[in-house]
Amino acid sequence: KNEVEQSPQNLTAQEGEFITINCSYSVGISALHWLQQHPGGGIVSLFMLSSGKKKHGRLIATINIQEKHSSLHITASHPRDSAVYICAVPRTTGNQFYFGTGTSLTVIP
Amino acid sequence: EPEVTQTPSHQVTQMGQEVILRCVPISNHLYFYWYRQILGQKVEFLVSFYNNEISEKSEIFDDQFSVERPDGSNFTLKIRSTKLEDSAMYFCASKQMGRGGVETQYFGPGTRLLVL
Repeated sequence: KNEVEQSPQNLTAQEGEFITINCSYSVGISALHWLQQHPGGGIVSLFMLSSGKKKHGRLIATINIQEKHSSLHITASHPRDSAVYICAVPRTTGNQFYFGTGTSLTVIP
Repeated sequence: EPEVTQTPSHQVTQMGQEVILRCVPISNHLYFYWYRQILGQKVEFLVSFYNNEISEKSEIFDDQFSVERPDGSNFTLKIRSTKLEDSAMYFCASKQMGRGGVETQYFGPGTRLLVL
């Protein structure tokens, strides 16, 4: 059973397209994290959000706590956005995370 | 901007050998973590460390694994006798505040370990 589900698993987009990656979770959470894993493997934290919406540059993350769903949007996508995007939620006890399997995004010039 | 660093970036070792993966967390952070990601799979939690002791560990973190904060800056993961299935990317992370907070964990760039 996956506590965190992401969709799609793979996504190919043309440069400039608006992209949406979805994350659904089945556990109660205090916050949800969106992470970006670069082709070389390194992980960067993009957002941590517990309600509403956050924006950073061309990236927008939203969360609906009642529906246990979050989305990551990328506006005006660019080839450098190509990466794996991972949704992660902390367990209610302790410091562990449940990780999604990731969405592999490729943006074609 | 402060960042978590890890060394080495890549390590190749023979099965049965001991490896030590090193991490330098962000200096004012209090909680430290190791995660691993086997190629093509999800990131998995290994262990968390606070106040010079393990605060949590997963079932993956068996007796072959140990962690240490030997000085005020380094945080190490030791695998005593590596197995083929230990081949993975190992990520260190650190966090400033304590449990229950919604603060962000900062990840290092990872060490890619290959066991032959």
